[in-house]
Amino acid sequence: AQSVTQPDIHITVSEGASLELRCNYSYGATPYLFWYVQSPGQGLQLLLKYFSGDTLVQGIKGFEAEFKRSQSSFNLRKPSVHWSDAAEYFCAVGGWGNKLVFGAGTILRVKS
Amino acid sequence: GAGVSQSPSNKVTEKGKDVELRCDPISGHTALYWYRQSLGQGLEFLIYFQGNSAPDKSGLPSDRFSAERTGGSVSTLTIQRTQQEDSAVYLCASSSTGGNTEAFFGQGTRLTVV
Repeated sequence: AQSVTQPDIHITVSEGASLELRCNYSYGATPYLFWYVQSPGQGLQLLLKYFSGDTLVQGIKGFEAEFKRSQSSFNLRKPSVHWSDAAEYFCAVGGWGNKLVFGAGTILRVKS
Repeated sequence: GAGVSQSPSNKVTEKGKDVELRCDPISGHTALYWYRQSLGQGLEFLIYFQGNSAPDKSGLPSDRFSAERTGGSVSTLTIQRTQQEDSAVYLCASSSTGGNTEAFFGQGTRLTVV
């Protein structure tokens, strides 16, 4: 069965510091992987996605993620966090003919 | 429309009443999802429609919850005999073919049961 684990419920980083949000998945076939962001009071917006090819994918707002098949991971990174990045981040896995399955989310706090 | 539209945006109802929440997906999208997001909680999967296939109802929390999708487009989530624990934001999403493509989310319906 598909599942996604985001081990960190909350993360606090200083503005300008680097960020890594962890995501581990379980999926029996080729996974399609996504990161979404939800700002307070807003809907979910896609940050980036991985389907195939280059395992390092670039997204919007300066985010990137690396697919590591051997570790079943798809961690999200940003070299320098801005106060506006404070939000909740969701990792998701899907596949052909299957639904998307989301992790529980990681709430990012940015301190100035 | 240009995006996923949900209505109403806010709904306050009395305990025990039935409510209907509506979702208009992006035109042409065959996959439609309903999720629930309670305060401080992640996304709870409720139901998934894919084309003409039987829906995946594995996330519906009780038999008070049901959903339908008419003509492969508009979907309605119905909650019967609402309870206070049903208070949450109900999110709808659609995608062009399913879990291999990006899901686009609506703004949600905030349901408050008093």
